[in-house]
Amino acid sequence: DAGVIQSPRHEVTEMGQEVTLRCKPISGHNSLFWYRQTMMRGLELLIYFNNNVPIDDSGMPEDRFSAKMPNASFSTLKIQPSEPRDSAVYFCASSFFNGPNEQFFGPGTRLTVL
Amino acid sequence: KQEVTQIPAALSVPEGENLVLNCSFTDSAIYNLQWFRQDPGKGLTSLLLIQSSQREQTSGRLNASLDKSSGRSTLYIAASQPGDSATYLCAVRLSGAGSYQLTFGKGTKLSVIP
Repeated sequence: DAGVIQSPRHEVTEMGQEVTLRCKPISGHNSLFWYRQTMMRGLELLIYFNNNVPIDDSGMPEDRFSAKMPNASFSTLKIQPSEPRDSAVYFCASSFFNGPNEQFFGPGTRLTVL
Repeated sequence: KQEVTQIPAALSVPEGENLVLNCSFTDSAIYNLQWFRQDPGKGLTSLLLIQSSQREQTSGRLNASLDKSSGRSTLYIAASQPGDSATYLCAVRLSGAGSYQLTFGKGTKLSVIP
């Protein structure tokens, strides 16, 4: 299995621009998580999908952030408009909810907003 | 609210030494605990998953133990190697219907000196 795939790996953009991060979970997994990692706050859960349905988006910082999962093999996290404080590493993870629920992480997208 | 603490924040040891990394959590009603490794600029690699009913898990030179009643887990690394240098994170998932969120510690940065 290829594992969780994320793209792009690095993104540099200017304040005010729209940013879209992409994730392909492991085939057969029915849970998908978006996390953000910063030095100050560590790893924070942004949103959780189960069977393509958003279950908990309480971690999404504000309305500038949105996430979708149109099918079991694809998810996006969008920031519009982006701000310098959004600079962080964004991880996608997937798991099989009805199993041991071991989460597997993608390589992350390092976002820099200038 | 579940809080996860990892001490020390950084650890430096000579190659070949056995070492223990510590993880403590405040709410003992956990479903499982997962240890991850994170290399600089990379994603998280799952090392070991311990279910709440288990006391320990082993994989190669790694052994993780869990003591729910005291809210502690340890990751034992035998015969450390320079390639073990990385940040090690523990994460706990609370028990309960619909529980899915992992709460992460800030990690222990391990350096194994050749």
